[in-house]
This record gives sequence, C-alpha cells and structure tokens, in this order.
Amino acid sequence: EDQVTQSPEALRLQEGESSSLNCSYTVSGLRGLFWYRQDPGKGPEFLFTLYSAGEEKEKERLKATLTKKESFLHITAPKPEDSATYLCAVQAGNQFYFGTGTSLTVIP
Amino acid sequence: DVKVTQSSRYLVKRTGEKVFLECVQDMDHENMFWYRQDPGLGLRLIYFSYDVKMKEKGDIPEGYSVSREKKERFSLILESASTNQTSMYLCASSRRQGGIDTQYFGPGTRLTVL
Repeated sequence: EDQVTQSPEALRLQEGESSSLNCSYTVSGLRGLFWYRQDPGKGPEFLFTLYSAGEEKEKERLKATLTKKESFLHITAPKPEDSATYLCAVQAGNQFYFGTGTSLTVIP
Repeated sequence: DVKVTQSSRYLVKRTGEKVFLECVQDMDHENMFWYRQDPGLGLRLIYFSYDVKMKEKGDIPEGYSVSREKKERFSLILESASTNQTSMYLCASSRRQGGIDTQYFGPGTRLTVL
C-alpha cells in the first residue's frame, strides 16, 4: 500500500538546537517529494520539491534531502519563528500522498 | 509568486444548507484541487480538475460536488451541509511540468456546520 509516514509527530527544541524531521514513503514510481510549512489556521506554504535520490535543497535554516526511501528536513539553529507543522507529500504517477505532519515547537 | 485565494477564511452554516466555497488562482495553472484537513487524518482529496469543465473524484467525494467553468476558478459545493463536514477546506493548484506537479495552497476556509 502506498503511504507516507512522518516522524516524530511532535518535536520540541530549544532555540539553536538543530534537529531533523523524517518523511518515509512506500510508493512506486516516485515523481517528486514536497515539503510544506503550515502555521495554525492557515494553508500549507510550499518549501521544497525534490525529484531524485541524492538531491538536496536549502532555504535559510532548512535543508531537505532525499533518498530512495525517505526524506529529511534538517533544521539548523532553529528560531521560535520556525515553530509550525511541517508536511511532507509524495507524487507517484498522478496520485498525491500526504503525511500527517510533524509539529515543531522552538522554545526561546 | 503563485497566489491562490479562497472566498472565506471562516464560515458558519446550518445543517441542511447549501454551501459554496470558491477558489481562484492567478497563475494560469491547469490543475486545481479541493482537500479537507482534519486533526490526525491529514489532507484528504475531495475532488480535482485537470481542465475547464472537467472533474474527477478524489478519495472522499460523497456529499460534495464541484464546478469549474473557468480555468482560474474552482468551486466546491456542499449540497446539504452536515455536522460531519465541519473541517478546514483547502484549495490547491498546480502547473503540469513534465509530470512534476508542485501544488500551491490557498489560505483555507474553516467551515463549521451547526
């Protein structure tokens, strides 16, 4: 069964404490993997698209990487404004599969 | 920048009412989608459209219909609202780029059915 699993469900970090969020997937025919940030009560905001294993993309304190089975979103020296839910999605063929997200809280 | 707008941020309706949620995108995207998002369940696809006047059922189409009369506009209709349709509704659009369809989302509509 095609699916996307994100871990952990929730993560609390001290400001400046780097960590990683995981998105593992079991789909065939991966076309792309997407990361989004979602603030409470708002729509997901696009962060990255990754197309193939070995690819990496960076934006400010965020870095996304992709292997054949999973993706990591690395957060370096996070700040309180990085607090949000981070969603992962996978496209296989014309189907999209979303994870349920990791809720990140960064404590000052 | 891609911009997807939704007609309302918050909406309160009564059971049995007909409800219209509208979505407009300004980037000439071919594809448009309607999702609902509930705690613990993630995003679930209701309907999508790859072209004007074209629609396809998603994973949970029951109780919903859609309309796409213009390329930039995609409407979600709740024919007779029920309390189990209380949810956050998200519209998204994407451009077909060699099969990689990055979706861009609107701000969402929080619908409460009483």
